[in-house]
Amino acid sequence: DIVMTQTPLSSSVTLGQPASISCRSSQSLVHSDGNTYLNWLHQRPGQPPRLLISKISSRLSGVPDRFSGSGAGTDFTLKISRVEAEDVGVYYCMQTTQSPYTFGQGTKVEIK
Amino acid sequence: EVHLVESGGGLVQPGGSLRLSCAASGFSLRYYWMQWVRQAPGEGLVWVARITTDGPYTTYADSVKGRFTVSRDDARNTVYLQMNSLRAEDTAVYYCVRNAAEGAFDYWGQGALVTVSS
Repeated sequence: DIVMTQTPLSSSVTLGQPASISCRSSQSLVHSDGNTYLNWLHQRPGQPPRLLISKISSRLSGVPDRFSGSGAGTDFTLKISRVEAEDVGVYYCMQTTQSPYTFGQGTKVEIK
Repeated sequence: EVHLVESGGGLVQPGGSLRLSCAASGFSLRYYWMQWVRQAPGEGLVWVARITTDGPYTTYADSVKGRFTVSRDDARNTVYLQMNSLRAEDTAVYYCVRNAAEGAFDYWGQGALVTVSS
């Protein structure tokens, strides 16, 4: 199974400041079709997860452009350019390149 | 608007069974792979099972293989998760998830809580 490792596990950020979360996979996430199926999700307390970004950097419709994803191979990053109050919660990276699909441990983001 | 609504959760004794249903609306289920993901209290997300459109074919996490069965009824726009031989460690919120093209788990239900306890 592919192990997904996120850092940091928690982050306290001042409103309006940037935040960054790293995700590393135990093996390359490049699929045989050439795509890299690395996703980022956000979960607020008491809510189901919401998909923010798919295939490393494709923002879903309605996701603010302050969220961006980057990376390749085994190393990926989610960046929030200016954190807003609604961005609190837990962020997960997830790979859907290979079954079983696996998630990172989650990174809890709070406002300082 | 896309909606996924899970039902069938509850309290069950170890060794018991439950069947979760996931009613889809706002889209035609027949065109999508569907997934089940669970989250134990205070813990992270864990993928459980997948069902494809063709076949359909199913795949399971090792932790549930042989005990859980995922199925679909496209005419009813509903996906099911039959859970047998339940264990305390199966206690979790179970999410039904739509698998859009290219690996994106784009819509999640609100979840159904399953508690396995005597």
